[in-house]
Amino acid sequence: NAGVTQTPKFQVLKTGQSMTLQCAQDMNHNSMYWYRQDPGMGLRLIYYSASEGTTDKGEVPNGYNVSRLNKREFSLRLESAAPSQTSVYFCASSESSGGRSYNEQFFGPGTRLTVL
Amino acid sequence: GDSVTQMEGPVTLSEEAFLTINCTYTATGYPSLFWYVQYPGEGLQLLLKATKADDKGSNKGFEATYRKETTSFHLEKGSVQVSDSAVYFCALSHTGGFKTIFGAGTRLFVKA
Repeated sequence: NAGVTQTPKFQVLKTGQSMTLQCAQDMNHNSMYWYRQDPGMGLRLIYYSASEGTTDKGEVPNGYNVSRLNKREFSLRLESAAPSQTSVYFCASSESSGGRSYNEQFFGPGTRLTVL
Repeated sequence: GDSVTQMEGPVTLSEEAFLTINCTYTATGYPSLFWYVQYPGEGLQLLLKATKADDKGSNKGFEATYRKETTSFHLEKGSVQVSDSAVYFCALSHTGGFKTIFGAGTRLFVKA
């Protein structure tokens, strides 16, 4: 049981380049999330997918797109990277089956992205 | 909207000292409250949680009590160790909801 996995772990891009961050979970969770973490700002939600086939914007969606490929996988794409997108990106998942679900989140190890 | 405020860090303590990290929240209804911990170079992991007023969450010697009257969920540990050095995040989520609101995080350094 690997939990939440992310690839790559590190990436350096030039301004204007594109890339996709991959995330997969093996816990059969319904919901998945992408966050960015910047010094002094905690975690900010970029996009989330409450269930397979749905995606919604979070707090800071501009410059990003997402795809919920299937129940296991949720990718984040930067179409034209900018230096302001230099950050650590975390993927997370939760059971979130509604009702009595308490939405505990399980995090991947993160991707450290630098945009020059 | 919902929000979480936690004390600014860094907090520096000597080994075996008492730890308190303050957390207060603003939310409608009765959210669940969480503390997550992030060790260097890793993702966040759940440390403890409380799902209703007056509940006490506990794990690894850490405790926090859900105080609705003061809208607080302060993290405490009686005797910290060097291995507790990490960033601690207070968070809230509504039962059945899909989003979690995180505080800004508090970095803890424990010296031997």
